[in-house]
Amino acid sequence: DTAVSQTPKYLVTQMGNDKSIKCEQNLGHDTMYWYKQDSKKFLKIMFSYNNKELIINETVPNRFSPKSPDKAHLNLHINSLELGDSAVYFCASSQALAQPQHFGDGTRLSIL
Amino acid sequence: QQPVQSPQAVILREGEDAVINCSSSKALYSVHWYRQKHGEAPVFLMILLKGGEQKGHEKISASFNEKKQQSSLYLTASQLSYSGTYFCGTDLSGSARQLTFGSGTQLTVLP
Repeated sequence: DTAVSQTPKYLVTQMGNDKSIKCEQNLGHDTMYWYKQDSKKFLKIMFSYNNKELIINETVPNRFSPKSPDKAHLNLHINSLELGDSAVYFCASSQALAQPQHFGDGTRLSIL
Repeated sequence: QQPVQSPQAVILREGEDAVINCSSSKALYSVHWYRQKHGEAPVFLMILLKGGEQKGHEKISASFNEKKQQSSLYLTASQLSYSGTYFCGTDLSGSARQLTFGSGTQLTVLP
């Protein structure tokens, strides 16, 4: 059974479109995260969500918004996609803050 | 401000040792280490929560020097499977709410 699953695995779309990436974890964890990894492999935290508290990295544009329908899901919505949004997006979860994080396989987003 | 990792890249022969360093200009409350193989997700290695703490798993160990604001990852008798990019993640706020990752160290182990 996959612990943290993301869909889709690949997403190719045009500039200006709106897209969503889904993330689900079956580990019973309380905290979920979204990371962006660019072409230089830099892994940057975007959001963390714990007990209905959302912590946003201040450098993330407000075109990005996480939505958590329940504790096991944290989806990422992106509006008005730009070329610079091309990257691999990883979802992760942990039992609690400061605990080991389990990552999904990533979603490779390519903007044409 | 992200932690600084050194070296950026290292190439080893199987059986050799390596050290990867992670340092911060701010106080560190904890250090997390992850390894990412090409095209895969990062995988957790270990967390160090207290200054002076050392941890190890088989031939990979780490230390955390709180006063020097740095952590080091030690890979002993490297195996081919150790190849990948190693990231340190640090909790700079003490709230443990978010990790700030370093830029990574690419380790290549050759036969």
